[in-house]
Amino acid sequence: GAGVSQSPSNKVTEKGKDVELRCDPISGHTALYWYRQSLGQGLEFLIYFQGNSAPDKSGLPSDRFSAERTGGSVSTLTIQRTQQEDSAVYLCASSYNTGQPQHFGDGTRLSIL
Amino acid sequence: AQRVTQPEKLLSVFKGAPVELKCNYSYSGSPELFWYVQYSRQRLQLLLRHISRESIKGFTADLNKGETSFHLKKPFAQEEDSAMYYCALMHDYKLSFGAGTTVTVRA
Repeated sequence: GAGVSQSPSNKVTEKGKDVELRCDPISGHTALYWYRQSLGQGLEFLIYFQGNSAPDKSGLPSDRFSAERTGGSVSTLTIQRTQQEDSAVYLCASSYNTGQPQHFGDGTRLSIL
Repeated sequence: AQRVTQPEKLLSVFKGAPVELKCNYSYSGSPELFWYVQYSRQRLQLLLRHISRESIKGFTADLNKGETSFHLKKPFAQEEDSAMYYCALMHDYKLSFGAGTTVTVRA
């Protein structure tokens, strides 16, 4: 595909469960970003990966959040012991390199019951 | 700390009228600014990047460092311009977004 692909598009789960969100960046893009879009907070940066460098996790809101990027391509964002305040749209973006324009996926809408 | 402010949550204009979306920023370094647009049921997409000084879909935006602004303008709004618009500042490699402005263009 030509764009950033995210799955699932929607996820509904019970409070306390773990969830995994997946992002497949544009082929050839070395930088990958996760953002969160929620009603009260707008669009917030979560985490950034660039090549083989250590990720910048400075935006992760708590230690329940983690992310991996395997083989410099696909990334998964994991939220453990979900809380209702985790309900949001989680957006993934990629760019050709650091500082280049970021291209966004459709997002995963996460709802915690 | 960096901050992006979009003072208007909602903006309604008539088709053919000019439209201006305000964006102000605070940043201690040399800013790199973007406008992103999200049409109904579509993904967030890049509209403009200040350093490229392009005009996309009739929109332009000029960086005014003295006023710390990056307002988005279009002389003649079209119905297809109805969307959510976000101003964003890149610092290091991360984007900080404004709260967004919903634009409705009425026939």
